Amino acid sequence: GDSVTQMEGPVTLSEEAFLTINCTYTATGYPSLFWYVQYPGEGLQLLLKATKADDKGSNKGFEATYRKETTSFHLEKGSVQVSDSAVYFCALLRGTSYGKLTFGQGTILTVHP
Amino acid sequence: DAGVIQSPRHEVTEMGQEVTLRCKPISGHDYLFWYRQTMMRGLELLIYFNNNVPIDDSGMPEDRFSAKMPNASFSTLKIQPSEPRDSAVYFCASRLAGNEQFFGPGTRLTVL
Repeated sequence: GDSVTQMEGPVTLSEEAFLTINCTYTATGYPSLFWYVQYPGEGLQLLLKATKADDKGSNKGFEATYRKETTSFHLEKGSVQVSDSAVYFCALLRGTSYGKLTFGQGTILTVHP
Repeated sequence: DAGVIQSPRHEVTEMGQEVTLRCKPISGHDYLFWYRQTMMRGLELLIYFNNNVPIDDSGMPEDRFSAKMPNASFSTLKIQPSEPRDSAVYFCASRLAGNEQFFGPGTRLTVL
């Protein structure tokens, strides 16, 4: 079945550091890939997405590239801020007509001033 | 757009009591999802509906849990009887096929 594996956390960084959160997936066909972010006390919200191989999703300084050859969708940001402290979830959707997202386990990011 | 609306936002109840969580999806969305989030188990999909019809309830932990969607604008998740291990944050989410999935703010349930 479909699965998403994220790097184990938590991740702790200083402000302005470079961030990478690894995400790899297993799925049949050509899934769409997503990163969701959950700020403390809130629901998940979409951060960025990519729908086909080699697509790059970007938002709020975050980027992720859909790499079919390595089945990966790593999240990166060049300079993190304290306000980026949150839980980050990688997810896949097998097809537009398919119902449910498959989520990774989430990675807790804490950024210190 | 008001987004996905959940009520109540917080619920504290005693073991054995019935708990009903409510969700109003975004108008026009044809998928509705119920999730549970705990520190131990992370984010779990409990059940989802398509056009008000339950499609996959394999994540519902046991018979004490039930979910309904009587119409396109309302869904409930009921726990009867509740147990302390049901304490968690329950999220409702909705989506229009092929588009972004939106989550509600969650209901924090505490069962004493």
